[in-house]
Amino acid sequence: QLQLQESGPGLVKPSETLSLTCTVSGGSISSSSYYWGWIRQPPGKGLEWIGSIYYSGSTYYNPSLKSRVTISVDTSKNQFSLKLSSVTAADTAVYYCARRHVLRGLDYWGQGTLVTVSS
Amino acid sequence: EIVLTQSPGTLSLSPGERATLSCRASQSVSSSYLAWYQQKPGQAPRLLIYGASSRATGIPDRFSGSGSGTDFTLTISSLQPDDFATYYCQQYNSYSLLTFGGGTKVEIK
Repeated sequence: QLQLQESGPGLVKPSETLSLTCTVSGGSISSSSYYWGWIRQPPGKGLEWIGSIYYSGSTYYNPSLKSRVTISVDTSKNQFSLKLSSVTAADTAVYYCARRHVLRGLDYWGQGTLVTVSS
Repeated sequence: EIVLTQSPGTLSLSPGERATLSCRASQSVSSSYLAWYQQKPGQAPRLLIYGASSRATGIPDRFSGSGSGTDFTLTISSLQPDDFATYYCQQYNSYSLLTFGGGTKVEIK
């Protein structure tokens, strides 16, 4: 059974860089049918797609966040990572990693991790 | 950017009733790339429907999706206690941009 697990600091200071890693187990991140992505959800609000990456390293970002986002992949560790720079309180959210099947949407999700931006 | 508008924002129904949730897109979405998710408090979303009408693995047949172009619908034929949750539609028409609707909360009347 595929599992995704987010890890990283739960508290980040304003203007600093948020860094999270998603570890994939029970399957290979190098499968050709899938993209790997990050989605966030501010407390009490809806879902926002941040970006996706293919195992080859091709990336796709939400235009509204593109200037601050970097997603990378480490196939040797079966992990992919998110960096979001110059964070503000508006970036406080639960951050989810997920697998995207080309045709079936986001079919596996991590449990999510709350990141709070505060001094 | 394709904007998805879900209605109603909240749906108050009793167990056993039929729920009809709407998702309208600002421009045409290929039916192959419209999904519905269920989210309960404190949990990650769960994929219910993909390709507008195909149920994901393990999803009961009381959940059904329909629609094309700019208008899509999620129907729950007979609400069970476990179905009270928030539902999101999503388009994945393009590799470069995915968007979610604002959600519909289905609450117990």
